[in-house]
Amino acid sequence: NAGVTQTPKFQVLKTGQSMTLQCAQDMNHNSMYWYRQDPGMGLRLIYYSASEGTTDKGEVPNGYNVSRLNKREFSLRLESAAPSQTSVYFCASSALGFVGVNTEAFFGQGTRLTVV
Amino acid sequence: AQSVTQLGSHVSVSEGALVLLRCNYSSSVPPYLFWYVQYPNQGLQLLLKYTSAATLVKGINGFEAEFKKSETSFHLTKPSAHMSDAAEYFCAVRSTYGQNFVFGPGTRLSVLP
Repeated sequence: NAGVTQTPKFQVLKTGQSMTLQCAQDMNHNSMYWYRQDPGMGLRLIYYSASEGTTDKGEVPNGYNVSRLNKREFSLRLESAAPSQTSVYFCASSALGFVGVNTEAFFGQGTRLTVV
Repeated sequence: AQSVTQLGSHVSVSEGALVLLRCNYSSSVPPYLFWYVQYPNQGLQLLLKYTSAATLVKGINGFEAEFKKSETSFHLTKPSAHMSDAAEYFCAVRSTYGQNFVFGPGTRLSVLP
């Protein structure tokens, strides 16, 4: 019963390098999310995917791209990492698929990224 | 647009004392509300959620929250704090028609012996 799995758990990048954060869920959820967590700012939404084949920008999308590879997987790519992207990244999923359904978000364990 | 405020970035209580963590929200439509807990170096875990079935919601680990529409609040309480309650707590809101969860800045709870 894995839930939401993120890889890697830790990563150090040099400024300008690229990388992809992977996320997979095994709960057959329609919606998936990428958040970043910074001290004192809570979780801020980067991108989300309401269903397979769709993606939308969240509050802080600049510098990131996403791919909803299939219903299970939602990846986040940093094309040219910057020190401002040092953060903890969380992937989440939810059974949200239509209006009115109250379901919570389920979170992965996070990826701690440092850009030097 | 929805938003969440949490009064107090850090709250300290003595073991056995009442825990009160405050959450106020703004939403133009009836909201769904959530409290999550985060232990160090872990993801977020759902404590409880408001489903509109009852204004007083009971969650895990003895926590509960009361939805007050007139005050746009959803404060989290626990009658008696335990050392294991030390963690960061996040309030979140989702609108009835929304796909996204908006989180507050979080409150770090310390429990003193």
